[in-house]
Amino acid sequence: IAGITQAPTSQILAAGRRMTLRCTQDMRHNAMYWYRQDLGLGLRLIHYSNTAGTTGKGEVPDGYSVSRANTDDFPLTLASAVPSQTSVYFCASSDSSGSGELFFGEGSRLTVL
Amino acid sequence: GQNIDQPTEMTATEGAIVQINCTYQTSGFNGLFWYQQHAGEAPTFLSYNVLDGLEEKGRFSSFLSRSKGYSYLLLKELQMKDSASYLCACMDSNYQLIWGAGTKLIIKP
Repeated sequence: IAGITQAPTSQILAAGRRMTLRCTQDMRHNAMYWYRQDLGLGLRLIHYSNTAGTTGKGEVPDGYSVSRANTDDFPLTLASAVPSQTSVYFCASSDSSGSGELFFGEGSRLTVL
Repeated sequence: GQNIDQPTEMTATEGAIVQINCTYQTSGFNGLFWYQQHAGEAPTFLSYNVLDGLEEKGRFSSFLSRSKGYSYLLLKELQMKDSASYLCACMDSNYQLIWGAGTKLIIKP
């Protein structure tokens, strides 16, 4: 029983490079989310998807894109990484978009130099 | 604007009781959530309050006062494994979660 799997767990990236963080869930949850967590700040929503085929922008979407081709996968892409995108990224899911009970992946620590 | 406030850090003694407070200002309200996050790990769901009052779940209880925009998480019989950050989050009128920065709880023997 995996729950939510994120990859990679850690990555160092040169500025300007393209990077995709992968997220897969096996709980058949409809809603999925990408958050970033920075020291001293609360979790900030980057993008979300209420159901397969739909996506929406969160609080801090600039520089990021997502897709939701099927229920299980929700990759996050940084088209051209910048140092301010250095952060810990968490993917999460919930059974519905109105549920606040989220299940989180273990996180991806990204450093952009 | 929307805002969640909680103390940055608290220290308590093993076996004691600690109360972590959270105040919120959001556009609309659809529930107050508490999560636990151990260092280097993912947040995990602890509790949910949508009506005023106390919800008890084992050693952990969560309280909500909607009129005061206030919640607290009460941890009893503290154990060393309770050392973690506790995140308060409020669901707004758009069903989006607004997160506090978290309270780091340090348990001393």
